[in-house]
Amino acid sequence: GIQVEQSPPDLILQEGANSTLRCNFSDSVNNLQWFHQNPWGQLINLFYIPSGTKQNGRLSATTVATERYSLLYISSSQTTDSGVYFCAVRPQEGFKTIFGAGTRLFVKA
Amino acid sequence: GAVVSQHPSWVICKSGTSVKIECRSLDFQATTMFWYRQFPKQSLMLMATSNEGSKATYEQGVEKDKFLINHASLTLSTLTVTSAHPEDSSFYICSARDLGSSTYGYTFGSGTRLTVV
Repeated sequence: GIQVEQSPPDLILQEGANSTLRCNFSDSVNNLQWFHQNPWGQLINLFYIPSGTKQNGRLSATTVATERYSLLYISSSQTTDSGVYFCAVRPQEGFKTIFGAGTRLFVKA
Repeated sequence: GAVVSQHPSWVICKSGTSVKIECRSLDFQATTMFWYRQFPKQSLMLMATSNEGSKATYEQGVEKDKFLINHASLTLSTLTVTSAHPEDSSFYICSARDLGSSTYGYTFGSGTRLTVV
């Protein structure tokens, strides 16, 4: 099946810093989403981005489908950005959503 | 946007008892819902695909007799953990997709933290 790899696995930032999270996937996808899981476990959908670039406030994402990767940019990080960021893809074959292992982010005040 | 409601948010049960978790799509119909399990500091692992009006499809290694799934209507899927044991303690999350949405993204419930004592 499709493999989804996220990097880095862990990231510590000083408040105000910028960061880039990466998601590589091994096969063509119909859907790619970035999620933020807060400390209470709730998954917040950040972007639905099977291709192209989107921005929402301090967050933006780019997916290059032909090269099978996606990037999530966090600018001017805040302590509330802490949590786990997951990349999830739906392969072109089938309709299951497969999650990467996540990037655990901690933003220090 | 699409909303998926999941209840309960957390539950503590005694070993050997059964627990039912509900997943509802509030403002859309979902012929298919998905159930995930997440152990501490790990990713979400798909357990099963719930299909309205038919049997669920389970992923390899998931015991279908232990994790009973019922998708009786277009807005409700339930997961029952039968004869729960401490190793079943985990975070269970459901998801569904609003086919009427232009984004076709998946929406997740808020999750259920199950602790078996």
